[in-house]
Amino acid sequence: DGGITQSPKYLFRKEGQNVTLSCEQNLNHDAMYWYRQDPGQGLRLIYYSQIVNDFQKGDIAEGYSVSREKKESFPLTVTSAQKNPTAFYLCASSMTGRAVGELFFGEGSRLTVL
Amino acid sequence: AQSVTQLGSHVSVSEGALVLLRCNYSSSVPPYLFWYVQYPNQGLQLLLKYTSAATLVKGINGFEAEFKKSETSFHLTKPSAHMSDAAEYFCAVSIRRDFGNEKLTFGTGTRLTIIP
Repeated sequence: DGGITQSPKYLFRKEGQNVTLSCEQNLNHDAMYWYRQDPGQGLRLIYYSQIVNDFQKGDIAEGYSVSREKKESFPLTVTSAQKNPTAFYLCASSMTGRAVGELFFGEGSRLTVL
Repeated sequence: AQSVTQLGSHVSVSEGALVLLRCNYSSSVPPYLFWYVQYPNQGLQLLLKYTSAATLVKGINGFEAEFKKSETSFHLTKPSAHMSDAAEYFCAVSIRRDFGNEKLTFGTGTRLTIIP
């Protein structure tokens, strides 16, 4: 079945450590996105990529980094510079130019900083 | 810049009663509008979308929404609530562009509780 796979589902990290969240899709979508979800704040865009080897900062990119070396993969690194990294992280994808605005989401990764 | 406001962070309705979740948008150009649903500890799933065709949009699970330009609203309704409708619902807006723009702006969400 086609879809988006995020791993790990749950992750614990000590302060000062970097952590990388994986996102893989087999939908053949061009665009991929990372959102952060906090209670009462909805979803906020961290980074997005419309094509391989290119990505743009979203609204809250500070303390995060991404890469897009393959169409299928868009990993997110939460660095030690992110002041409040505990959150639920959602990866999404879409077919650029078609079905405008329809995002397909993974099941999320919950990061807790101890 | 576009934005959405969801009125009411928590809504409770009795099973079988009407569900009404409110969403107002702000956009300087004609928007695309969406409703997504999220079940606990899961990703979001598209319920329905408005992309300038019919103003009354029907979605999955019996939900529908009406685009009202004069009121800048896109409220979500369902005639009869079911226990399985308990979830969090997000309204989202995207600006129309010729070559597509999937950079959505989400509202803060409304948690729907169904009372047996």
